[in-house]
Amino acid sequence: GNSVTQMEGPVTLSEEAFLTINCTYTATGYPSLFWYVQYPGEGLQLLLKATKADDKGSNKGFEATYRKETTSFHLEKGSVQVSDSAVYFCALRVPQKLVFGQGTRLTINP
Amino acid sequence: DSGVTQTPKHLITATGQRVTLRCSPRSGDLSVYWYQQSLDQGLQFLIQYYNGEERAKGNILERFSAQQFPDLHSELNLSSLELGDSALYFCASSATSDSADTQYFGPGTRLTVL
Repeated sequence: GNSVTQMEGPVTLSEEAFLTINCTYTATGYPSLFWYVQYPGEGLQLLLKATKADDKGSNKGFEATYRKETTSFHLEKGSVQVSDSAVYFCALRVPQKLVFGQGTRLTINP
Repeated sequence: DSGVTQTPKHLITATGQRVTLRCSPRSGDLSVYWYQQSLDQGLQFLIQYYNGEERAKGNILERFSAQQFPDLHSELNLSSLELGDSALYFCASSATSDSADTQYFGPGTRLTVL
């Protein structure tokens, strides 16, 4: 079946540190891949997406590359800020729905 | 602001009751999706409507039902509520059903069943 596995959280970093949140997926075919972010008390916001192999999605300093050979879509940011503290969800799109990972809670300390 | 609106923001009710959650999609979007976010199950897809017709079903209980109206807004009806139904319910919309289409999420309705 279709599934997404994210690295276990919570993750705590200092401001300006390098961030990687791992995401791997299992799917039939070649799904579109997404990262969503959920700030405290808010809904899900699309952070970035990639629709085919080797595509790189980027937004607000975050990047992720669709790697078909390793079935991965790891999220990276070179220098995190306190305002990046949130829960991050990796997801894949199969025809009629999104399948989400369990979410990774990120806390950035000043 | 995603352009997707959901009402109410919070709902507190008792076991055995029935509630209705409402969603208005982004202007021009034809697809509406409902998701449930709970601590134990994470984010789970419930159901999708496209232009008024049910298109896909996920882990939706028989006590739950939904519909999409001609003006494209959608309602999720939850009946015979149980404590375990307490969760955050999200609505999302997209322009079409295409798998590359981005789904835009509303702020959610937090349901508490006492």
